Amino acid sequence: SQTIHQWPATLVQPVGSPLSLECTVEGTSNPNLYWYRQAAGRGLQLLFYSVGIGQISSEVPQNLSASRPQDRQFILSSKKLLLSDSGFYLCAWSAVGLGEKLFFGSGTQLSVL
Amino acid sequence: KNEVEQSPQNLTAQEGEFITINCSYSVGISALHWLQQHPGGGIVSLFMLSSGKKKHGRLIATINIQEKHSSLHITASHPRDSAVYICAVSPLNTGNQFYFGTGTSLTVIP
Repeated sequence: SQTIHQWPATLVQPVGSPLSLECTVEGTSNPNLYWYRQAAGRGLQLLFYSVGIGQISSEVPQNLSASRPQDRQFILSSKKLLLSDSGFYLCAWSAVGLGEKLFFGSGTQLSVL
Repeated sequence: KNEVEQSPQNLTAQEGEFITINCSYSVGISALHWLQQHPGGGIVSLFMLSSGKKKHGRLIATINIQEKHSSLHITASHPRDSAVYICAVSPLNTGNQFYFGTGTSLTVIP
């Protein structure tokens, strides 16, 4: 069966520090991978999605970046965090094709102080 | 403008009540998803449907493609149903993306 792992669960970082959130998927090949951010009281905002190794599409201009060094690994990074980067970050995957289910990781609560 | 609109935003119910959450969308879709997010933050997929109705335990999801509308019903609600319920759609013209509603926060009081 397929599983998705995301870590860390919580993170407190000072402004200006770097960020690295990691997500790995098991039990499937060539998944579509996503990074979402959920601000308090708001819906899910797509940050990045990837359809293959090294293929990253960015939806929102910001100081965050994403990388997919391996088929089932998706990393969200920043060189210098801003206060506005605080939020709940979710990694997700879906199989390739129309109308596929979306599976989420357990999320990372990031607080930038 | 949101492609997916949910109502109500917040809902409080007494245990045992029948609950309905509504979702309207404005784009052509290949599927509609109902998701559940518990206070811990994790999100699980409840239903994925493209027509008709699906039932799982006390949960029922319906969709009307012509009217671009879906409902999630919970029968005999229980405090453990307290969560945020999110409607999402897989648009026909993107292939890889999903549009999300802002969620309905449900609290079921014992």
